Amino acid sequence: KNQVEQSPQSLIILEGKNCTLQCNYTVSPFSNLRWYKQDTGRGPVSLTIMTFSENTKSNGRYTATLDADTKQSSLHITASQLSDSASYICVVSFSGTYKYIFGTGTRLKVLA
Amino acid sequence: NAGVMQNPRHLVRRRGQEARLRCSPMKGHSHVYWYRQLPEEGLKFMVYLQKENIIDESGMPKERFSAEFPKEGPSILRIQQVVRGDSAAYFCASSPIPPGATNEKLFFGSGTQLSVL
Repeated sequence: KNQVEQSPQSLIILEGKNCTLQCNYTVSPFSNLRWYKQDTGRGPVSLTIMTFSENTKSNGRYTATLDADTKQSSLHITASQLSDSASYICVVSFSGTYKYIFGTGTRLKVLA
Repeated sequence: NAGVMQNPRHLVRRRGQEARLRCSPMKGHSHVYWYRQLPEEGLKFMVYLQKENIIDESGMPKERFSAEFPKEGPSILRIQQVVRGDSAAYFCASSPIPPGATNEKLFFGSGTQLSVL
């Protein structure tokens, strides 16, 4: 069954700290993996897109890694800010199609 | 260039009524997708449309749900005779390029929260 699982479900950290979010997937055949940020009451916004041949992709303080062999990805946030408080969603697409499988997200709360 | 616009943001309907959700894609985007998000669940694909054509509606219930993307005007997701289980956030996304491209990026609207009483 094609699934995307994220952990932890929720996370609370202090401002300025780093954190890492995990994503495991069983989607096959795999095309690409995306991380989205979703603020409460808003639509998801793309952070990174990686194909199977890419190991890492950065976008400012966000760095995503991908291990296509183990089917795992992580999103690392450095020097967290209050505005990083949001849900972070891992999305995996099937090869050659527009069908995306969305994870349920990790809810991150950054405290002052 | 305004983003993907969805309205209304919140919609309250009684059981049996009709719900109409609108989505105006970004300028120049001819590919529109609708997703549904239930509480504590990930977004689920419903339907993919190009201008005037439904390409894939495999994620949409066959009964009561319909979608269109006319030549002029916004895309409409229509739910007839709503039931409590239809309560969810409905998101629209648009893209300027055909699906399946590695660099395809979806731009999402802020969603419509449908509540059925």
